[in-house]
Amino acid sequence: SQKIEQNSEALNIQEGKTATLTCNYTNYSPAYLQWYRQDPGRGPVFLLLIRENEKEKRKERLKVTFDTTLKQSLFHITASQPADSATYLCARAGGGADGLTFGKGTHLIIQP
Amino acid sequence: EAQVTQNPRYLITVTGKKLTVTCSQNMNHEYMSWYRQDPGLGLRQIYYSMNVEVTDKGDVPEGYKVSRKEKRNFPLILESPSPNQTSLYFCASSHSGLATNTGELFFGEGSRLTVL
Repeated sequence: SQKIEQNSEALNIQEGKTATLTCNYTNYSPAYLQWYRQDPGRGPVFLLLIRENEKEKRKERLKVTFDTTLKQSLFHITASQPADSATYLCARAGGGADGLTFGKGTHLIIQP
Repeated sequence: EAQVTQNPRYLITVTGKKLTVTCSQNMNHEYMSWYRQDPGLGLRQIYYSMNVEVTDKGDVPEGYKVSRKEKRNFPLILESPSPNQTSLYFCASSHSGLATNTGELFFGEGSRLTVL
């Protein structure tokens, strides 16, 4: 089965620094990876998508990379702010059902 | 405003009492799906629908039913709820099926269900 692994431990970053979150996948490379943000008690919100043939994608302070050799995606938030504190989910398509396979998420805490 | 609406948001029920969680989207999306989220397990897909009258099982379909009679609605039915179905449930929609479409999933706000 296709798996997505994220470091489920909380990641503490000082405000203003760059936060880097890791997403590793197993088996074949997915056609794309997606990143979502989830706040407590809320539904996930889409942030970025990166395709297999793309090395990097940017959106404002966010940057995502996709390394098919390492089977890994990195999610960066530059100039981090306390408002960026949330759980970030990585997801891939593929597998038996038509849906996304999500990682367990990384809880990011930006400390003032 | 584009949105996915779920009801109820919170529900406490007892084992065996049938319940339905409704889901409606106003974006004319073809694809809809249900996920459950549990601590330590993350989001897992229950059922999905590629279009009206087309539904299929996800990774954890046991104990659930769905229907898609209208494009905008995709209710989740628990015929005989059990305590292991206590969870946070999310409905989501997208323009079309995710295997061939790179579009994002739009999620509802979630329905927290407790089965005693």
